[in-house]
This record gives sequence, structure tokens and C-alpha cells, in this order.
Amino acid sequence: QKEVEQNSGPLSVPEGAIASLNCTYSDRGSQSFFWYRQYSGKSPELIMFIYSNGDKEDGRFTAQLNKASQYVSLLIRDSQPSDSATYLCAVYYGGSQGNLIFGKGTKLSVKP
Amino acid sequence: GAGVSQSPSNKVTEKGKDVELRCDPISGHTALYWYRQSLGQGLEFLIYFQGNSAPDKSGLPSDRFSAERTGGSVSTLTIQRTQQEDSAVYLCASSLFTSGGNEQYFGPGTRLTVT
Repeated sequence: QKEVEQNSGPLSVPEGAIASLNCTYSDRGSQSFFWYRQYSGKSPELIMFIYSNGDKEDGRFTAQLNKASQYVSLLIRDSQPSDSATYLCAVYYGGSQGNLIFGKGTKLSVKP
Repeated sequence: GAGVSQSPSNKVTEKGKDVELRCDPISGHTALYWYRQSLGQGLEFLIYFQGNSAPDKSGLPSDRFSAERTGGSVSTLTIQRTQQEDSAVYLCASSLFTSGGNEQYFGPGTRLTVT
């Protein structure tokens, strides 16, 4: 059973701080990794994807991947109240099925 | 460009009735996915289309669920004889599905309520 694990939170950080969201996955053969942001009552929005070990930066967001440890994280610098949402980690294991396996998400709250 | 669209945005139906949910993917995306999300739960994969073909239908929760895709574009998810446990948000996503990655973009979802 392929699994993606996230701490459900809530994770509370003050405005301007760095928020660190973590995710572990069960299958070493996993190929690509995604972070989605989901506001309450809305659908998931793709904010980052990473395929290779190391860091990938996009604006205030940095995704970090460590395949040896089966660990992927998302850092949000200079957190804003508008970043308050649930963050979903998703993993593509490859193969013909194509679907992503999602974690249950971490709820982030950024306090002004 | 236009994103993934879904209709209706909300559907309330009586138990036992059939419903059809529609998804229009991003133009040029060959892969289309249906997921559902129950209140407070994670995303549950239902079915995947590459072109008009669905290689594996094992994610569908029961034989009351069926889906089709025509012309490599629009897809319809049909739920027959709806039950209260079918109440959820049904999400459609599409992607280019390249061998290197599989970035999926979601539509706004259809909120289904079975009374």
C-alpha cells in the first residue's frame, strides 16, 4: 500500500516567520512530488513540484526533496495570513495509472 | 488560458436518483483524472483516462459509478442509484502526463449532496 504521511496540524506561525511543512512517502520508486494549497471550500491549487534531490525555489516557496530519506518538505518564507490554508503533499509513483497519492494535508495558520 | 471546468458546481439529489457530473479539461491535456474528497478527508482517486481510454477502473467505489471520455476531451462521471455516502466534492484534474512528471491541475469541483 503506497502511503503519503503528513502531520495534520494545525501548524501555527506568526506573520513573517518561516513555515515548514513535512511529508514522508512509502515507496522508494516514487518519481515526482507535488505540493498543493487548498483554501477552505476550494479545490487544490498546484504551487510547487520537484523531481530531483535537493532544493527548488519559487518566490517565497522552497521545496526540498531527499529520496534517500523518502522525505519532501515545503518551506514558506515571510509567511502571510493569506498563506493560511491546508497544504497537500502528493506523490506520483509512476506506472500506467498516472494518479497521484495524496496525504491528508497539514493545516497552516499564519497569525497577524 | 482556460483552466479545468466542471459542472454543475453544486448538485442536490434524492437518494436513489442518478447524477451526471461533467469535466472539461485544459485544452491539449491528454490525461484526465477524477477524485473525490469527503468532508475533512483526503483525496480519493477514482479513475484515470489517457485519451478516451481508462486502463484501470479499480478505483471506482462500486459498480454504480461509471465514467466515460469522448473526443479526448470532455468526461462524464455518472453515479447511479445515489446513496448518502456518495455525498462529497468530486474533483476533476488534467495533465499532459509526460514520463518525467505529472503535474495535475484541478477544476473547481462539483459538490454533491444526496438527501
